[in-house]
Amino acid sequence: GQSLEQPSEVTAVEGAIVQINCTYQTSGFYGLSWYQQHDGGAPTFLSYNGLDGLEETGRFSSFLSRSDSYGYLLLQELQMKDSASYFCAVRDQRPAAGNKLTFGGGTRVLVKP
Amino acid sequence: DAMVIQNPRYQVTQFGKPVTLSCSQTLNHNVMYWYQQKSSQAPKLLFHYYDKDFNNEADTPDNFQSRRPNTSFCFLDIRSPGLGDAAMYLCATSGTSGRAYTQYFGPGTRLTVL
Repeated sequence: GQSLEQPSEVTAVEGAIVQINCTYQTSGFYGLSWYQQHDGGAPTFLSYNGLDGLEETGRFSSFLSRSDSYGYLLLQELQMKDSASYFCAVRDQRPAAGNKLTFGGGTRVLVKP
Repeated sequence: DAMVIQNPRYQVTQFGKPVTLSCSQTLNHNVMYWYQQKSSQAPKLLFHYYDKDFNNEADTPDNFQSRRPNTSFCFLDIRSPGLGDAAMYLCATSGTSGRAYTQYFGPGTRLTVL
């Protein structure tokens, strides 16, 4: 079966750094994505790792180690607007078959003043 | 702006009364997905279309059906909604070239079943 594990909740203060870990066990693996979802909103794409290493996009970075079936999302210089749920998602289908994603349970990040 | 649109944003139906949710996209993407998301849970894929090819998830109840009459539109039909079907329904799209790993989500339709 498919399983992705991530912490359920993280609390931090403005300006801090938060790391959200994601470990996965899936039958296929073609990449790890991260999505942000504010309460009542739709998931929005943040970052993607198809190969091992670090990807940086502004204040957000994502890391992947395929040998460890592990990745993380790093949120730097936290802002109040970063309070949201963050989902890791494995692309577990070959791209030509439709880019299907399996989502982790989500990590709720609460940023305090 | 290219986007994914879902209508209606809020839908109330009665137990057992069929309901249809709609999704349209201006991104010209090949793939369209329907997800169900319950409170504080991850989106759960119900099915997806790759062009006209329909792909059902093994655990999607028969109560859920989908139609894709053309590239731009996709519908989710719930034939006999139960109380357990109350959820947010999210439509998403992705392309098959370039940033094909990215799924673009619509704002969702929140379904209430009375």
